[in-house]
Amino acid sequence: AQSVTQPDIHITVSEGASLELRCNYSYGATPYLFWYVQSPGQGLQLLLKYFSGDTLVQGIKGFEAEFKRSQSSFNLRKPSVHWSDAAEYFCAVGRASSNTGKLIFGQGTTLQVKP
Amino acid sequence: EPEVTQTPSHQVTQMGQEVILRCVPISNHLYFYWYRQILGQKVEFLVSFYNNEISEKSEIFDDQFSVERPDGSNFTLKIRSTKLEDSAMYFCASRVLGTANEQFFGPGTRLTVL
Repeated sequence: AQSVTQPDIHITVSEGASLELRCNYSYGATPYLFWYVQSPGQGLQLLLKYFSGDTLVQGIKGFEAEFKRSQSSFNLRKPSVHWSDAAEYFCAVGRASSNTGKLIFGQGTTLQVKP
Repeated sequence: EPEVTQTPSHQVTQMGQEVILRCVPISNHLYFYWYRQILGQKVEFLVSFYNNEISEKSEIFDDQFSVERPDGSNFTLKIRSTKLEDSAMYFCASRVLGTANEQFFGPGTRLTVL
């Protein structure tokens, strides 16, 4: 069955510290991978996406993610967290062969940033 | 920058009542979606819509649910007879043609069924 797992429900980091949010997927076909962020009262905003090619992808707001096929992972990283990064982060996967492009989401990780 | 909008932001209804959630997708987008997120749970796919018909729906999307694009700009989700378990945040999304393209999400409508 297709699934996305974000093992960490809640993470707290200090401002300026590095961040890594984990995402593992189970997908039978070639996946498209996404990270979305949701601030309170806002919609889901795309941080970055992976379709093919270079396995290290750069996104907005200084985020990057690395696709590791052997580990079925797509972890999100940021070298130095800012207080404004506090939000909920969702990993999602889509099927490359799908006509509809539906996304399957992980549970989400809530990031809290300490001053 | 164009964005997906949704109304209302919060809807409270009595069990058994019909509700219509409204979305205005980005104007040149061709695929439309509804997702929902029950509090504390995952964002779940409900339905996708293309060329004026449903292209895929999940098991959640039973006969109580319907979608419509009534006027070329709005995209609606109707729940005919709401249940307590329909209480959730409902997100609308849209994208241009081509599977690889990202979906743009609206801010969501929080539906509370009493």
